[in-house]
Amino acid sequence: QSALTQPASVSGSPGQSITISCTGTSSDVGGYNYVSWYQQHPGKAPKLMIYEVSNRPSGVPDRFSGSKSGNTASLTISGLQAEDEADYYCSSYTSSSTVVFGGGTKLTVL
Amino acid sequence: QVQLQESGPGLVKPSGTLSLTCAVSGGSISSSNWWSWVRQPPGKGLEWIGEIYHSGSTNYNPSLKSRVTISVDKSKNQFSLKLSSVTAADTAVYYCASSGIAFDIWGQGTMVTVSS
Repeated sequence: QSALTQPASVSGSPGQSITISCTGTSSDVGGYNYVSWYQQHPGKAPKLMIYEVSNRPSGVPDRFSGSKSGNTASLTISGLQAEDEADYYCSSYTSSSTVVFGGGTKLTVL
Repeated sequence: QVQLQESGPGLVKPSGTLSLTCAVSGGSISSSNWWSWVRQPPGKGLEWIGEIYHSGSTNYNPSLKSRVTISVDKSKNQFSLKLSSVTAADTAVYYCASSGIAFDIWGQGTMVTVSS
């Protein structure tokens, strides 16, 4: 299985909005509403930010939102804050009953 | 609140077998969750290794399937990972995770280095 495609890096200024894309195929992202997004700060375990495309776990700010169109899912962070600077990974369930991650995107808050 | 804790040797010799255990506390491994292993080589991204249900059903990453075994011990409320024929490419931080809704709970991770 091939990793989902994410941009290597994105950046934005405090208060701005950014979007991170996650492109797969009809066998993963496009075929199921089981896309998740994770935030990872250096030296820490990943943290679930979005599940099932657009749902936020309890405690995740509503500045984080997710969506999907066709084979591409997106994570949008509005009102960027300094603490949002981290690596972000998407993941999807696949038609082979496996899970595939994206390559990760480094978010820099300028 | 369920918590996960990985344990196992931090150094494994090439061609040997990597063995890790994930202890589940604050909840039962026989809940409705799947239990997964995910790894992250230094400076690289996340890679899903595989998962197990308390019944023993498993799913593995096709690229690792020939070398991976994940098992569950309900009496000890833990699950385990064995990865055989390891090479330097298997050097990584290994995480265990609960798949309640996606990977909603993670262990802190344990670094495993493959070196002679």
